Amino acid sequence: EVQLLESGGGLGLPGGSLRLSCASSGFTFSTYTMAWVRQAPGKGLEWVSSFSGRDGTTYYADSVKGRFIISRDNSKNTLHLQMNRLRVEDTAVYYCARETGHFDYWGQGTLVTVSS
Amino acid sequence: DVQMTQSPSTLSASVGDRVTITCRASETISSWLAWYQQKPGKAPKLLIYEASILQSGVPSRFSGSGSGTEFTLTITSLQPDDFGTYYCQQHKSYVMPFGQGTKVEIK
Repeated sequence: EVQLLESGGGLGLPGGSLRLSCASSGFTFSTYTMAWVRQAPGKGLEWVSSFSGRDGTTYYADSVKGRFIISRDNSKNTLHLQMNRLRVEDTAVYYCARETGHFDYWGQGTLVTVSS
Repeated sequence: DVQMTQSPSTLSASVGDRVTITCRASETISSWLAWYQQKPGKAPKLLIYEASILQSGVPSRFSGSGSGTEFTLTITSLQPDDFGTYYCQQHKSYVMPFGQGTKVEIK
């Protein structure tokens, strides 16, 4: 059974940093592209970043480019999102998802709140 | 950049009704389109991928059609458990892949 479990959310200060993690199990993690998708309170889904399992290429939404860094540890089946220079508008539930073009499995999400 | 436009933004229907949600792409995306259902406080759930392929375990009352720039999600007989918000997602490119969502309410 595929399972994705996010952690690391919480309260961050504007200009501060947070690091999210996503522990994966039930599939061969290293061969899949993995992604982060977020949802601001009461809003729709916004793709944030993806890390290709095929060639290691990373992709970012313009809204986070230069501030967020996606990484993965295939030995630990874990995906990370380093969130720097946080903004109030980064407040959202962050979902980890397995990506095969579409997103076929999702974690339960972790809430990030950016506020002073 | 591909823009996805969903309609309607909300709909209210009765149990047993046939419901159709439309997603339009600003440029052709072939069949690279998926549909998701999201319930309040929960993660999205994949329903349909590649425009018309039903994800394993999804009830057969859900179906998808279309190619190019116009796509539809159809629920042939709406059930009480089908409330929630439905999103389309294009995967031709990473820019703005999701539609804005359609909230489905049960009358």
